[in-house]
Amino acid sequence: GAVVSQHPSRVICKSGTSVKIECRSLDFQATTMFWYRQFPKQSLMLMATSNEGSKATYEQGVEKDKFLINHASLTLSTLTVTSAHPEDSSFYICSARDVARRYEQYFGPGTRLTVT
Amino acid sequence: GENVGLHLPTLSVQEGDNSIINCAYSNSASDYFIWYKQESGKGPQFIIDIRSNMDKRQGQRVTVLLNKTVKHLSLQIAATQPGDSAVYFCAETGGTLPGGYNKLIFGAGTRLAVHP
Repeated sequence: GAVVSQHPSRVICKSGTSVKIECRSLDFQATTMFWYRQFPKQSLMLMATSNEGSKATYEQGVEKDKFLINHASLTLSTLTVTSAHPEDSSFYICSARDVARRYEQYFGPGTRLTVT
Repeated sequence: GENVGLHLPTLSVQEGDNSIINCAYSNSASDYFIWYKQESGKGPQFIIDIRSNMDKRQGQRVTVLLNKTVKHLSLQIAATQPGDSAVYFCAETGGTLPGGYNKLIFGAGTRLAVHP
């Protein structure tokens, strides 16, 4: 149980375009999902917390107009990187918290974004 | 705490030896700690957790030790195997951290390299 999927696993896009990444909880409901970014050989940095049916909470320094988050259902959150630039190239990872379990977060497999 | 821009330290061990990976956490208000394993190109995988009212917890081949006095966490892996090769992150959350249990703060990570 507690499987989180992400789609796509890899994406290459041109500078200036937008790309959408999906995060799904497959066998549980998640009122809260989290989006992280990870650069090579670095740790995970929380970008934003996504709550179902409400606006996301962004961490300091993360541009909310550039990284659009939508959490429309208890099993799906999306991250859209708008007007992507090469410096946005990174590994984006989502996690989800099961409504039935207070502390645990289950992580997705990640999405490798390359902006050319 | 959050360490941005640091290269990952590496722990090299022989197959069959015991491994000890250390982590210094940042906030004395944290009351829940987790160890994650991350293989290349994948999302973090939960290994073991511990609450602040404990100082030791054992799982299968893994033990987590918590020293709140010096804000130190360690992960011990018994009889290390080649499949244990990965990057290991500690994470802290909860207590009176901003965002409470909505915020996982990841440590810098340690690369474990297991040699046959």
